[in-house]
Amino acid sequence: QITLKESGPTLVKPTQTLTLTCSFSGFSVRTSGVGVGWIRQPPGKALEWLAFIYWNDDKRYSPSFKSRLTITKDTSNNQVVLTMTNVDPVDTATYYCALGQASTSTYWFDPWGQGTLVTVSS
Amino acid sequence: SYVLTQPPSVSVAPGQTARITCGGNNIGSKSVHWYQQKPGQAPVLVVYDDSDRPSGIPERFSASNSGKTATLTISRAEAGDEADYYCQVWDSSSDHRVFGGGTKLTVL
Repeated sequence: QITLKESGPTLVKPTQTLTLTCSFSGFSVRTSGVGVGWIRQPPGKALEWLAFIYWNDDKRYSPSFKSRLTITKDTSNNQVVLTMTNVDPVDTATYYCALGQASTSTYWFDPWGQGTLVTVSS
Repeated sequence: SYVLTQPPSVSVAPGQTARITCGGNNIGSKSVHWYQQKPGQAPVLVVYDDSDRPSGIPERFSASNSGKTATLTISRAEAGDEADYYCQVWDSSSDHRVFGGGTKLTVL
């Protein structure tokens, strides 16, 4: 059974750096083709893709956030970490991590973690 | 960057068929995935790769993709299908993932 769970601070001050951890089980990021992504959802709004990391450490970032995001993986501890710098109240959202699945021509997310709500406020 | 457009809301009577669209430039050339999100819950994949269903998803959920529009079809709609639905594609030119703006399905 594959599970993912997000963890991190619930409250962050503006201009600070937000660090979120995705802890998972049931798969290994060493496996060829495997990847983990981060997606967020501001309250009452749509899903927004943030970043993705592949098994070979290749990384992709949403152009809307690229300069502020860093995604890394800790293979030994089965974790993927997302760092977002210089946060603003508009970054208040539920942050999800999800397993990236692939076919020969596309990628999707399944399953997802339960999400963690992060509030940015002074 | 690639943009996916969904109607904000769709309504359907119980037992009838709901259709939720997802528009994008030449979306028929891409594979589309659909997620269901109920209030307070994480999204759940209901269709992947245009028309495949994960195990556990009822056959009432089907999808198609052609030209400029992909469509998620929910047959014999039930109250339990009320949720937000999101389409998603992988943009191969940029290796980016893209979500649509979401559609709120109301069963009334």
